Amino acid sequence: GQNIDQPTEMTATEGAIVQINCTYQTSGFNGLFWYQQHAGEAPTFLSYNVLDGLEEKGRFSSFLSRSKGYSYLLLKELQMKDSASYLCALYNQGGKLIFGQGTELSVKP
Amino acid sequence: EPEVTQTPSHQVTQMGQEVILRCVPISNHLYFYWYRQILGQKVEFLVSFYNNEISEKSEIFDDQFSVERPDGSNFTLKIRSTKLEDSAMYFCASSETASGFYQETQYFGPGTRLLVL
Repeated sequence: GQNIDQPTEMTATEGAIVQINCTYQTSGFNGLFWYQQHAGEAPTFLSYNVLDGLEEKGRFSSFLSRSKGYSYLLLKELQMKDSASYLCALYNQGGKLIFGQGTELSVKP
Repeated sequence: EPEVTQTPSHQVTQMGQEVILRCVPISNHLYFYWYRQILGQKVEFLVSFYNNEISEKSEIFDDQFSVERPDGSNFTLKIRSTKLEDSAMYFCASSETASGFYQETQYFGPGTRLLVL
């Protein structure tokens, strides 16, 4: 089976850096995705890791350690519009995404 | 930028009725998916579809559900005899492939909010 853990809520200040952690257990690893979801909207793709290490995309970076079953999403230069839920999802070969509960990030002025 | 589209955006139906949710995936994508999200809960996988066949389905996707690609552009989810607990946001997604690094990225449509009364 597969299990994903993320913090339920986080709060950060505009302009700051925040790290959202995700730990997982899985019998077979094929990749880990991060999505952003604003309330009432669809998940939008942020980042994807299949190998260990850091993937950087503008203000967003994601890190993966397969041996530790651990990933994090790093958001830099936080903006108010970054207030959203951040979803960690395990990828199953054949297309199935298994989502975590999501971390609700509140960015305060 | 190409995107996944879904219709209708909202659907209200009576318990026991049939509903069909429609999706137009990104045009060069070959893999299609349905997910659902009950209010306040996590996004859950329902089914994946490739080459006119179901590739994988979850325990949620029972005989009440079916999927179809009736033509070259649409991908539909049919729910027969809806139940109160089917009330949720239903998301369609598509990807170029199911293997190949970033080509596996699934892009989600805006969703159909289904309310069963």
